[in-house]
Amino acid sequence: NAGVTQTPKFQVLKTGQSMTLQCAQDMNHEYMSWYRQDPGMGLRLIHYSVGAGITDQGEVPNGYNVSRSTTEDFPLRLLSAAPSQTSVYFCASTLSGGSGNTIYFGEGSWLTVV
Amino acid sequence: KQEVTQIPAALSVPEGENLVLNCSFTDSAIYNLQWFRQDPGKGLTSLLLIQSSQREQTSGRLNASLDKSSGRSTLYIAASQPGDSATYLCAVRTSNTGKLIFGQGTTLQVKP
Repeated sequence: NAGVTQTPKFQVLKTGQSMTLQCAQDMNHEYMSWYRQDPGMGLRLIHYSVGAGITDQGEVPNGYNVSRSTTEDFPLRLLSAAPSQTSVYFCASTLSGGSGNTIYFGEGSWLTVV
Repeated sequence: KQEVTQIPAALSVPEGENLVLNCSFTDSAIYNLQWFRQDPGKGLTSLLLIQSSQREQTSGRLNASLDKSSGRSTLYIAASQPGDSATYLCAVRTSNTGKLIFGQGTTLQVKP
C-alpha cells in the first residue's frame, strides 16, 4: 500500500515553461486535493476534487489546472510557470466526505521557477 | 472566513517535559479538526483527528482536545522526546468537501 505518491520530488523550471505534477493514490479515495506550502503563508488549497470528473477551485487556483479522469490520479498542471509559483506542493486524499475520515498527504514536490 | 492560528510559532523544551500546543479557529462551525506532524523536507503525517461531536482523542503519548464553543484545540504531548522535534500543524475541515484550512504551525525542539 503506497498511499499518496507524488512525482517528481524536485523540479527546476524556467519562467514560461509548463509542467505537470503527478499525484496518485491507491486507497480508492474519492476526494483528492492540491496544496502549496510557502514560508509565512502556511498551506493553501489550490484545487480539489470530490470524485472522477469533478473538480473545483480552492483558495489560490490562478495559474494551475487540474482534471480527474480516474479515481486514482489527480495531476496538477502549471500552464506557464512564474517565479511566484516556486513552492512546495502537496497532494492529499481522503476516503469521502465523512467527518471521521483522515486526510492523507504525499511527500511533496519541490518546485523552483527561475 | 475561517482563520486558524497556532501559538507559539516555536517552542524549545528539555526532554521529558509535558507540553501543550495551541490551535484556535474563528468559526465554530467545523466538520472536524486534524493535527499533523511535519518533519523537515517531508510530507504531513496525520496524528489525531477529532470530529466536531467529540471532545478529545488519544494516541499513545498524544492527547488532542476540542472546544468548539471557544474555538480552541490543544495537543498535549506527554514525556517529550528528542524524536518529537518537528513542526506540528492543526487544520480545520469546514465542510464535507475535504478542504482543510491550516494554521501556520508550531515548530517544536526537544533537547536531550
